[in-house]
Amino acid sequence: DGGITQSPKYLFRKEGQNVTLSCEQNLNHDAMYWYRQDPGQGLRLIYYSQIVNDFQKGDIAEGYSVSREKKESFPLTVTSAQKNPTAFYLCASSGTQNTDTQYFGPGTRLTVL
Amino acid sequence: QQQVKQSPQSLIVQKGGISIINCAYENTAFDYFPWYQQFPGKGPALLIAIRPDVSEKKEGRFTISFNKSAKQFSLHIMDSQPGDSATYFCAANRRTSYDKVIFGPGTSLSVIP
Repeated sequence: DGGITQSPKYLFRKEGQNVTLSCEQNLNHDAMYWYRQDPGQGLRLIYYSQIVNDFQKGDIAEGYSVSREKKESFPLTVTSAQKNPTAFYLCASSGTQNTDTQYFGPGTRLTVL
Repeated sequence: QQQVKQSPQSLIVQKGGISIINCAYENTAFDYFPWYQQFPGKGPALLIAIRPDVSEKKEGRFTISFNKSAKQFSLHIMDSQPGDSATYFCAANRRTSYDKVIFGPGTSLSVIP
């Protein structure tokens, strides 16, 4: 079954803790993305990566970090520096042509207690 | 210049009616316009996409109309069904070089029986 998976589905974090969200894809896509979605709002790009061992900041990268050590994996760490981390986080992947569809994972809902 | 505007923010349509969502962009370099559909608690999925060399594209009950001179495009859902109730995002990006996809803020559609 080809696709993109995110885990966990729900995540609770205490203030001051770092937390890592997992994203794995078996679509053989070169590009991967992390978006943040807040209630009633659109998708805001956090980080993206076009190739292994390379990634770029999106529009709201402050308080987040990523790594891209393997083509299949693009984990996102939400650090304690992120002031308002409660949100729905979406990972996506695509080919590197701009007409390539972005395939989204099911999302992780992070709640800070 | 990078923004994609979308309206309405929310829409209620009776079953069997036509749902219309409008988007506008400013950057004339955009030349690929996908629409994504997102059900609650799920990741978005590509619904339909259009390039500016055509004025209309139809897939089943879903039609994109594109007005290049006005820099506007719209999604029409004919014979709307309760199962169409979801959030719809328009988006835009450039085919000729790698650029991030710019998403509109989304429209929450409710189709009532």
